[in-house]
Amino acid sequence: DIQMTQSPSSLSASVGDRVTITCRASQSISSYLNWYQQKPGKAPKLLIYAASSLQSGVPSRFSGSGSGTDFTLTISSLQPEDFATYYCQQSYSTLRGTFGQGTKLEIK
Amino acid sequence: EVQLVESGGGLVKPGGSLRLSCAASGFTFSSYSMNWVRQAPGKGLEWVSSISSSSSYIYYADSVKGRFTISRDNAKNSLYLQMNSLRAEDTAVYYCARELLRFRYFDYWGQGTLVTVSS
Repeated sequence: DIQMTQSPSSLSASVGDRVTITCRASQSISSYLNWYQQKPGKAPKLLIYAASSLQSGVPSRFSGSGSGTDFTLTISSLQPEDFATYYCQQSYSTLRGTFGQGTKLEIK
Repeated sequence: EVQLVESGGGLVKPGGSLRLSCAASGFTFSSYSMNWVRQAPGKGLEWVSSISSSSSYIYYADSVKGRFTISRDNAKNSLYLQMNSLRAEDTAVYYCARELLRFRYFDYWGQGTLVTVSS
């Protein structure tokens, strides 16, 4: 099975900061990597698919990069509504969407 | 507008059964693969099961294989998850999610339904 490891598991940052979250796969997954944002009590929301494609309606301050085993999600200038938990997901294997353990982004 | 609405959650005793439903609207349901994803209280996301548009391909996480059955009724625009032999560790919010064929990401999610397994 493909394992996904996110880092850090939690992060404190301020409004306006640039933030990067990383996700590493236990084997190559090409560009089959997606990022989701989840706020408390809400369903996850798709941000980035295929490693670097921005989902429609998602602000351009969110970006994704990487291929193979190493990926990053970057928020260029944090806004108050961005404080949430972020998950990466691999969709390479038929065991759909192994998720990373999540990164909780908190206000400093 | 795409909508996914789960129902059927509740409190059930260990060893019991429950059937979840997901009603889809706003898109051609029969053209999309669908998935169930769950989230235990205070924990991360766990993919549970997927079913292709015509039910030809079905996959399960090891943690539920042999106990859960995913199905769909394209005429009723509905997705189901039959859960048998439930365990305390199955306690979670269960989400249904639409899957895009290319790159297989989940672009729409329901609001979730809570399943609690407890005596």
